[in-house]
Amino acid sequence: SSELTQDPVVSVALGQTVRITCQGDSLRNYFATWYQQKPGQAPVLVFYGKYSRASGIPDRFSASTSTVTASLTITGAQAEDEADYYCSSRDSSGNYVFGTGTTVTVL
Amino acid sequence: QLQLRESGPGLVRPSETLSLTCSVSGGSMTNSDYLWGWIRQPPGGGLEWIGSMSHSGDTYYSPSLRSRVAIFVDSSKGQFTLKLASVTAADTAIYYCTRLFHYPSGGYLWFNPWGQGTLVIVSS
Repeated sequence: SSELTQDPVVSVALGQTVRITCQGDSLRNYFATWYQQKPGQAPVLVFYGKYSRASGIPDRFSASTSTVTASLTITGAQAEDEADYYCSSRDSSGNYVFGTGTTVTVL
Repeated sequence: QLQLRESGPGLVRPSETLSLTCSVSGGSMTNSDYLWGWIRQPPGGGLEWIGSMSHSGDTYYSPSLRSRVAIFVDSSKGQFTLKLASVTAADTAIYYCTRLFHYPSGGYLWFNPWGQGTLVIVSS
């Protein structure tokens, strides 16, 4: 399957840790890439590959992967982290695919 | 710093062809490590990859749009163009242009940067 599935909504208390997951067969061959999108704005690259945080992204963002599940973790979530998060990858047919998206709410 | 900006009509009539241009500034389009392409997002919806093209002409299109879409790159002008034929209301979306870096042997890719996006409404 070329689909990437994410939980629709995740909530986290200010300063606590939240994990956003992404599941799909395409993750067998490619690391998930993660994007953050705030209302009315274009997506912003957050994390790619096994270890690479994008330029300007705080180190409270980290990522991990195992077989068909990838995770983006925010350790010590801040109010400004409230946004939609999308994973992406490449499927076995060579098409670029995005996850269904997760809305993170910081309480 | 590389910047991308979309331009084009915000309203397209059903059955007509949507045409958008992305202007690239702050960098070259001729680096063979990158592809140039389009992603769209319907109002309140998720992201959908439309297609990508290298400056040398290699093209990759989403299977669901392949019969209707074409992307053209003009590196000399620092621009690339999206054409989507026979549009319907389902093509109403924010359209983003973006640069793609793809590293198969490393198993990763990314789209970065993104343009600000342009809303295209398909309506009569």
